[in-house]
Amino acid sequence: AQSVTQLGSHVSVSEGALVLLRCNYSSSVPPYLFWYVQYPNQGLQLLLKYTSAATLVKGINGFEAEFKKSETSFHLTKPSAHMSDAAEYFCAVSDGATDSWGKLQFGAGTQVVVTP
Amino acid sequence: ETGVTQSPTHLIKTRGQQVTLRCSSQSGHNTVSWYQQALGQGPQFIFQYYREEENGRGNFPPRFSGLQFPNYSSELNVNALELDDSALYLCASSLDTGLNSPLHFGNGTRLTVT
Repeated sequence: AQSVTQLGSHVSVSEGALVLLRCNYSSSVPPYLFWYVQYPNQGLQLLLKYTSAATLVKGINGFEAEFKKSETSFHLTKPSAHMSDAAEYFCAVSDGATDSWGKLQFGAGTQVVVTP
Repeated sequence: ETGVTQSPTHLIKTRGQQVTLRCSSQSGHNTVSWYQQALGQGPQFIFQYYREEENGRGNFPPRFSGLQFPNYSSELNVNALELDDSALYLCASSLDTGLNSPLHFGNGTRLTVT
């Protein structure tokens, strides 16, 4: 079985500061990992995904994440926060089976607040 | 192209009642996955439909059931509603079940059970 743990339910960052959101995974097989963002009253939007290619993954809106097998981590970063980054962020894992794409295990989420 | 649309956007039901939520997939998508997102939590996988057949189910009781129609639109039915069923229900469609088919999420249906 796969699972993810997001450290910190709320993160507050200043505009222009580094955004760092932590995600650790547990998986008995090589995982596929994802970060999604959810704005108020909206569905989820994919930021980036790791599917066993490059360990440093670049996504949309300037976000990137690094897969570290030794640390079972997939932390999300952005060098400089914008006010528009205020949202909830979810880390998710799939077991990588060929038909598992839509069957994701999500973390509890991290709410990001950006202060001027 | 139209995105994933869900209806209704909000719904209030009484404990013990039944509810049907609807999802219209993005054009050309034959796979639909349903998720339940309780307040303050991440989405939980309910089940997936691929070409009108159930293709996997999460840890939800049988009173949660679904359908997918020939046009690939989908319904989520919940019988004997309980207070804990109050949540945002998300539908996500994809081109197929393969790993290179991104999920496209709708904005969800907010269900409140009183």
